[in-house]
Amino acid sequence: KAGVTQTPRYLIKTRGQQVTLSCSPISGHRSVSWYQQTPGQGLQFLFEYFSETQRNKGNFPGRFSGRQFSNSRSEMNVSTLELGDSALYLCASREGNAGVVLETQYFGPGTRLLVL
Amino acid sequence: AQTVTQSQPEMSVQEAETVTLSCTYDTSESDYYLFWYKQPPSRQMILVIRQEAYKQQNATENRFSVNFQKAAKSFSLKISDSQLGDAAMYFCAYRIGGGADGLTFGKGTHLIIQP
Repeated sequence: KAGVTQTPRYLIKTRGQQVTLSCSPISGHRSVSWYQQTPGQGLQFLFEYFSETQRNKGNFPGRFSGRQFSNSRSEMNVSTLELGDSALYLCASREGNAGVVLETQYFGPGTRLLVL
Repeated sequence: AQTVTQSQPEMSVQEAETVTLSCTYDTSESDYYLFWYKQPPSRQMILVIRQEAYKQQNATENRFSVNFQKAAKSFSLKISDSQLGDAAMYFCAYRIGGGADGLTFGKGTHLIIQP
């Protein structure tokens, strides 16, 4: 099976703009999670989606949002970009059905966002 | 809140030797999972090994094994016969079982392999 894919891989934006990142999970995986990785804060959980529903969200402002489509692909959006949003954004998928979601997450290669 | 602590920012080992990376965690949950992920310079996070808290037996994957001490809340990773390709950042991670919470990661240990 193909792994988790993320597009674009690199992105440069300016303060105040908005950005949309895309993630395609491993085929058959219905859970998608997003993480932010920065040198200062490390890896932090943004949110998780399962069957088009957000199941949980980390401690991030409302400028960070996401959604999941019926084919399990997910997008995350950051509005009104700030310099501190510069980071590597990682997407991860998990296998699961309505009753059980398996615990192991498989990560994509990430999108590196630079905000100028 | 759950926390994961990796006390070794950097470790260095000679090729073919054995190295142990430390991880401690804090939780009041009884059902949880622990993971070690590897992040090479490509930044791709790769699962190394996982451990279910309810299992007493330590997980093993080829040259990688863990020492899971539940009472001490310790979860160390042992890499045997270190290879140059093992050089990477290693992250210890925790997750509550059955929930929608994301992984809680430690700050990572940078592993250097000396040829």
